[in-house]
Amino acid sequence: DVKVTQSSRYLVKRTGEKVFLECVQDMDHENMFWYRQDPGLGLRLIYFSYDVKMKEKGDIPEGYSVSREKKERFSLILESASTNQTSMYLCASGLTGRAYEQYFGPGTRLTVT
Amino acid sequence: GQSLEQPSEVTAVEGAIVQINCTYQTSGFYGLSWYQQHDGGAPTFLSYNALDGLEETGRFSSFLSRSDSYGYLLLQELQMKDSASYFCAVTNSGNTPLVFGKGTRLSVIA
Repeated sequence: DVKVTQSSRYLVKRTGEKVFLECVQDMDHENMFWYRQDPGLGLRLIYFSYDVKMKEKGDIPEGYSVSREKKERFSLILESASTNQTSMYLCASGLTGRAYEQYFGPGTRLTVT
Repeated sequence: GQSLEQPSEVTAVEGAIVQINCTYQTSGFYGLSWYQQHDGGAPTFLSYNALDGLEETGRFSSFLSRSDSYGYLLLQELQMKDSASYFCAVTNSGNTPLVFGKGTRLSVIA
């Protein structure tokens, strides 16, 4: 079974803090994705990566950056957390050529106060 | 750009059949996926349609009409555990990230 894990289920940070969200997948997937999910807005893509060291902006990249130093790990960074970044963050992975089938981690509920 | 429309909420009776519709507008189209998400859980992949027609997987089926830019997810013999949110999603290539609809919350009642 594909397993995607995220470093924390719940996280509380203060405004202005730098926040790191970690995601690890164990199925040798090339593609990895970061989404945020907010009520009534569905899943919105923040950043994605097709390979190590590669990154592409999604629909809402502002205020975020990412890092992919190893194939299995994809990190989302909030350089200076703000209250409007309070959300559920979901990581996903998938195989090249099968973008339609993604495997999601359990999510991190981030609260910025 | 890409946009998807699906109903925000649907309620159905246990044992019945329910259809969740999804219409999309895309600049390019490769296929339509469906995901299920229980409260507090992660989205899980249900099905994918690249060609017109019906794909069946157990109690769940998914349909696509490319000419109508329309698809639906059909759930038969509804069970209480089917209460969840269902998302349709499109991609315009095998490698382009999915664009998700806002989700349909299905409530199954006794």
